[in-house]
Amino acid sequence: GAGVSQSPSNKVTEKGKDVELRCDPISGHTALYWYRQSLGQGLEFLIYFQGNSAPDKSGLPSDRFSAERTGGSVSTLTIQRTQQEDSAVYLCASSPWRISSGSRNEQFFGPGTRLTVL
Amino acid sequence: ILNVEQSPQSLHVQEGDSTNFTCSFPSSNFYALHWYRWETAKSPEALFVMTLNGDEKKKGRISATLNTKEGYSYLYIKGSQPEDSATYLCAPSNFGNEKLTFGTGTRLTIIP
Repeated sequence: GAGVSQSPSNKVTEKGKDVELRCDPISGHTALYWYRQSLGQGLEFLIYFQGNSAPDKSGLPSDRFSAERTGGSVSTLTIQRTQQEDSAVYLCASSPWRISSGSRNEQFFGPGTRLTVL
Repeated sequence: ILNVEQSPQSLHVQEGDSTNFTCSFPSSNFYALHWYRWETAKSPEALFVMTLNGDEKKKGRISATLNTKEGYSYLYIKGSQPEDSATYLCAPSNFGNEKLTFGTGTRLTIIP
């Protein structure tokens, strides 16, 4: 079956421009997560969705970052006025979240979007 | 924020040899520990989700153990093969918190 897909796979943008990154989770997965990996760093949590709601946005690094999810499916991560420090690989993951097991559910990752801000 | 440490940071192992590496995490309020393998140019792939103290899980030549009281997990690879070359990430979570906190990983290179 189809896995998690992300688009674009690569994005090069100029400092100050806005970018949108898209994630298509596995069908039926209610939980969706955004992470990023900057050069030399570990995977950093950004935001988590349960359905269309985002109970945990604690990882968003600044108010230039926002995310939404519609129809309990596709999610978009938007970065406004990009800065060079935003350059990273942005990963999306989805999970068949069950209230009985929460974060014990395996997360399925997409291939990521490599963002380069010049 | 959980303090997650993985060691060593990188490792070169001869093909056929066995190896292991460590993930350390805070033991308080532990809920789950995930292990992922991340090969270059691919998506991170789940290996194990571990929850019980003393648990041991196995998948082919790869196995993992968990000590929740002292806050560590070991990942073992038996008879390393070139396809085992990847970065291995661990990620604990706390009860009531959906967030996984990833370590920086152990980068494993198998030398043919």
